[in-house]
Amino acid sequence: EVQLVETGGGLVQPGNSLKLSCATSGFTFSTAWMNWIRQTPGKRLEWLAQIEDKSNNYFISYLESVKGRFTISRDDSKSSVYLQMNNLKEEDTAIYYCTWSSGYWGQGVMVTVSS
Amino acid sequence: DVVMTQTPVSLSVSLGNQASISCRSSQSLLHSDGNTYLSWYLQKPGQSPQLLIYLASNRFSGVSNRFSGSGSGTDFTLKISRVEPEDLGVYYCFQHTHLPLTFGSGTKLEIK
Repeated sequence: EVQLVETGGGLVQPGNSLKLSCATSGFTFSTAWMNWIRQTPGKRLEWLAQIEDKSNNYFISYLESVKGRFTISRDDSKSSVYLQMNNLKEEDTAIYYCTWSSGYWGQGVMVTVSS
Repeated sequence: DVVMTQTPVSLSVSLGNQASISCRSSQSLLHSDGNTYLSWYLQKPGQSPQLLIYLASNRFSGVSNRFSGSGSGTDFTLKISRVEPEDLGVYYCFQHTHLPLTFGSGTKLEIK
């Protein structure tokens, strides 16, 4: 069974940082393209970042508006993908989902940016 | 960025009837590799989005054959035949042909 489990969410003040983790199982992670997607309080879905597999040199793409603040990374030995988020803003408040490009999503983790 | 325009915003359908949702993209979703990377997701209340249709017309594993996707280029349709109570939720189209990947704004299906 494919599983993706996000952790690391919570309440953080504007300007601070947070690192999300996504532990996976049930598929060959090393060949998987992984993404982070968020859902705003208004239910809008927004793709944030993608990291390809080793055969594609772990190529990374970002949504322009988070480039420079968010960093996606992966550890194939742990079947995990991460999202480092710096200089957080109130508009980053959302549910953050880890997804496998084949169509599977985690349950999501809530990030609230507020003073 | 590719804008995905979904209509209608909401849909109220009687049980057993058909529902149809449209998704139009601002650019063709035909990739240079010949595939059209258009997917449909359903987000049931309190859950993560779940994949229904990929490559515009292919049903994902375990998805009921009451769901069908069609279309090409910039115009796509999701049809749900014989609507059942468990079909309620918000439907999203999603393109992953062009970066950045983008979603439609969603169509809320309610049972009449």
